[in-house]
Amino acid sequence: EAGVTQFPSHSVIEKGQTVTLRCDPISGHDNLYWYRRVMGKEIKFLLHFVKESKQDESGMPNNRFLAERTGGTYSTLKVQPAELEDSGVYFCASSQTLGQGDAYEQYFGPGTRLTVT
Amino acid sequence: GQQLNQSPQSMFIQEGEDVSMNCTSSSIFNTWLWYKQDPGEGPVLLIALYKAGELTSNGRLTAQFGITRKDSFLNISASIPSDVGIYFCAGRDQAGTALIFGKGTTLSVSS
Repeated sequence: EAGVTQFPSHSVIEKGQTVTLRCDPISGHDNLYWYRRVMGKEIKFLLHFVKESKQDESGMPNNRFLAERTGGTYSTLKVQPAELEDSGVYFCASSQTLGQGDAYEQYFGPGTRLTVT
Repeated sequence: GQQLNQSPQSMFIQEGEDVSMNCTSSSIFNTWLWYKQDPGEGPVLLIALYKAGELTSNGRLTAQFGITRKDSFLNISASIPSDVGIYFCAGRDQAGTALIFGKGTTLSVSS
């Protein structure tokens, strides 16, 4: 079974440009999460989709960030326009419908390293 | 917002030594998780804990869910070079909700 995949693995853009990150969750996982880790700090929650609906977007930094999950499969996270402080590693995670045990926990993708210059 | 204090920030040990790291929180969690991140990869789940006082092992790894629900520790016994990486604790209030992470413990093992 394929794990969570993310594209691109790295992106270097200039301040003011637009970048779109993509996440493909594990097949059948209704829950999809975006997180971000800024250098040396903790991994911070951005938002949570249940299928195509935004369940919780309390962690989104500002309105320059737009996440979508049309059709409830893959998700995109667009940053427009990018600022220097947006640099970091963006992780996507997915999980099954609620339950207890390792199988129901969040499984992470490899991340997209975004550098804004 | 909720924060987790994870310590130590980094550890440099010799192969064969035991390692211990912990996380504390000012608020109660119902689930504690421990993840490991290798370079260029995403965090991988090591151990999940669901009950206060629960002690769970996964090979050479042992983790405990604190009685107060505000802390957890992870022990690694007889460390080997492939244990190198960043270890994160994470807490969660309810199933299906966002994880709150500690800042990570970077482990270096010399052979």
